Amino acid sequence: GENVEQHPSTLSVQEGDSAVIKCTYSDSASNYFPWYKQELGKRPQLIIDIRSNVGEKKDQRIAVTLNKTAKHFSLHITETQPEDSAVYFCAAIGNSGYSTLTFGKGTMLLVSP
Amino acid sequence: SAVISQKPSRDICQRGTSLTIQCQVDSQVTMMFWYRQQPGQSLTLIATANQGSEATYESGFVIDKFPISRPNLTFSTLTVSNMSPEDSSIYLCSVEEGTRADTQYFGPGTRLTVL
Repeated sequence: GENVEQHPSTLSVQEGDSAVIKCTYSDSASNYFPWYKQELGKRPQLIIDIRSNVGEKKDQRIAVTLNKTAKHFSLHITETQPEDSAVYFCAAIGNSGYSTLTFGKGTMLLVSP
Repeated sequence: SAVISQKPSRDICQRGTSLTIQCQVDSQVTMMFWYRQQPGQSLTLIATANQGSEATYESGFVIDKFPISRPNLTFSTLTVSNMSPEDSSIYLCSVEEGTRADTQYFGPGTRLTVL
């Protein structure tokens, strides 16, 4: 089945800096890649997603890039703010049928004021 | 996006007992999923809840341990049976929005502690 690797496991930045989280996937047939933000004690929230027919997508301070050849995709957060502090999960659609998501292990992002 | 609720929000249970978790959506959805999130870990798909048929379980999860019901397009239950402390986790349901294929939104989760 699908395997998603996520790096780094923790990331500490100063407020205003940029943060980049990278994921790789194993199934070349995967075609949907969402990113979720999970604050402590809260549910995962979809923040951005990308499909395999585009290479980049932006939404204000957040962007996601996809390299299908290399089978990796990345989350970019610019001008980080303390409220960006959370655990971020990447995911990819697996090949077991339906829309089964396989998640990376997560990245804890800490933004210091 | 759809409004998703879960009951209970948390529970503390004794080993050997069972707990049924409910997931309710405010609109009809085709796809509903159940995930487990162990403390400090990522999300692992337990099963896909199919309306009108048996759930589809992922490797490592079996119907006897995690029976699932999906009686209609707005509701599903997950039962955690014969619980042990290793079942202590957050259990989340998710739904796929009909307007955007593959896009999943999560319920608030049920925090289960087994003593």
